[in-house]
Amino acid sequence: AQRVTQPEKLLSVFKGAPVELKCNYSYSGSPELFWYVQYSRQRLQLLLRHISRESIKGFTADLNKGETSFHLKKPFAQEEDSAMYYCALSGSSGYSTLTFGKGTMLLVSP
Amino acid sequence: GAGVSQSPRYKVTKRGQDVALRCDPISGHVSLYWYRQALGQGPEFLTYFNYEAQQDKSGLPNDRFSAERPEGSISTLTIQRTEQRDSAMYRCASSLAGAGEQYFGPGTRLTVT
Repeated sequence: AQRVTQPEKLLSVFKGAPVELKCNYSYSGSPELFWYVQYSRQRLQLLLRHISRESIKGFTADLNKGETSFHLKKPFAQEEDSAMYYCALSGSSGYSTLTFGKGTMLLVSP
Repeated sequence: GAGVSQSPRYKVTKRGQDVALRCDPISGHVSLYWYRQALGQGPEFLTYFNYEAQQDKSGLPNDRFSAERPEGSISTLTIQRTEQRDSAMYRCASSLAGAGEQYFGPGTRLTVT
């Protein structure tokens, strides 16, 4: 069975501090990993996916297959980064139904 | 263009009533997904369509839940004989193709009293 674990329900940092949102997964094959974000009163939207290897809004995430992790990082947090972040996994079955973690609320204080 | 839309945005119903939740995907999107999100949890997969064909319904919790997409566009998720445990946010997403980025709608907040 596939599973995504986000150990922190809430992460609170000050503006300018580094941020790391943790994500660990369990999957027997070669998964695709994603980070989704939900800003206040907005819909869930894709932040980044591991295969694109992009940096979006200063966030990066590296897939570590040895540690089965896909942590989301940003060197200097901004107040507008405050949101709910979900790590998600898609299996290699040819279509992309997503298995989500429970989410981590990031609060960036001034 | 318009994103994924869902209606109603909020639905309060009494236990035992049937409800129908609607999802209007982005025009031209082949794949459509339904997820359910309980409070404090991440979204949980319910079912998935390619065009009008229901490809996977393994996430539907029991036979009170059903979904259809008869013309390969709008989809309806129906819950019969609602129970309090059905209270949740129901999210719909669509993508151009099976492996494409999923675009989510605003969700329908269902409350069963």
